[in-house]
Amino acid sequence: DAGVTQSPTHLIKTRGQQVTLRCSPKSGHDTVSWYQQALGQGPQFIFQYYEEEERQRGNFPDRFSGHQFPNYSSELNVNALLLGDSALYLCASSYVQGTDTQYFGPGTRLTVL
Amino acid sequence: AQKVTQAQTEISVVEKEDVTLDCVYETRDTTYYLFWYKQPPSGELVFLIRRNSFDEQNEISGRYSWNFQKSTSSFNFTITASQVVDSAVYFCALSEGAAGNKLTFGGGTRVLVKP
Repeated sequence: DAGVTQSPTHLIKTRGQQVTLRCSPKSGHDTVSWYQQALGQGPQFIFQYYEEEERQRGNFPDRFSGHQFPNYSSELNVNALLLGDSALYLCASSYVQGTDTQYFGPGTRLTVL
Repeated sequence: AQKVTQAQTEISVVEKEDVTLDCVYETRDTTYYLFWYKQPPSGELVFLIRRNSFDEQNEISGRYSWNFQKSTSSFNFTITASQVVDSAVYFCALSEGAAGNKLTFGGGTRVLVKP
């Protein structure tokens, strides 16, 4: 039973560029959430997708957008990258319409130069 | 607004010692869920335990145990007979309404277990 997978593992971008991160949920899970974890801090909730729609959103600017596909996989897009966007981006999945425990993937480490 | 506080930033112990991690939370909801996650150096958050606000029964699962007290809004976690592989950052988290809703994390406690 495959767990949550994320790609790429690492990514280096320059300020002003755009980036897309990808996530495949655990088998049987229908809800995907994204978190940003700055170095030395706890993860911060970005948003959650269920049935291809954004259900909840944290305190992040519109530069952060997402998408969920019919197979429940998801993408996180960040436009106009800032140095402060450098972080570990974690994807989590859950099932039963997001009412169950969230399980996390290995994360994508984004460095913005 | 929901908030989670982990006052201990780092704990260092010698192998086989017990380690207790403190967590204090704030919420206005009557239905909420509390979690502990472990983050080893690899970076992946590993789910350890979960309790809901209606169940204050404290349990033991292997070397892990937890103490949930609504009266003090605390959800402490203990590792018994620590091992080197327990070295990691441990996060306490809270979700309101449903277990799958957004998680609010504490700042984490780094545990270093020395051989």
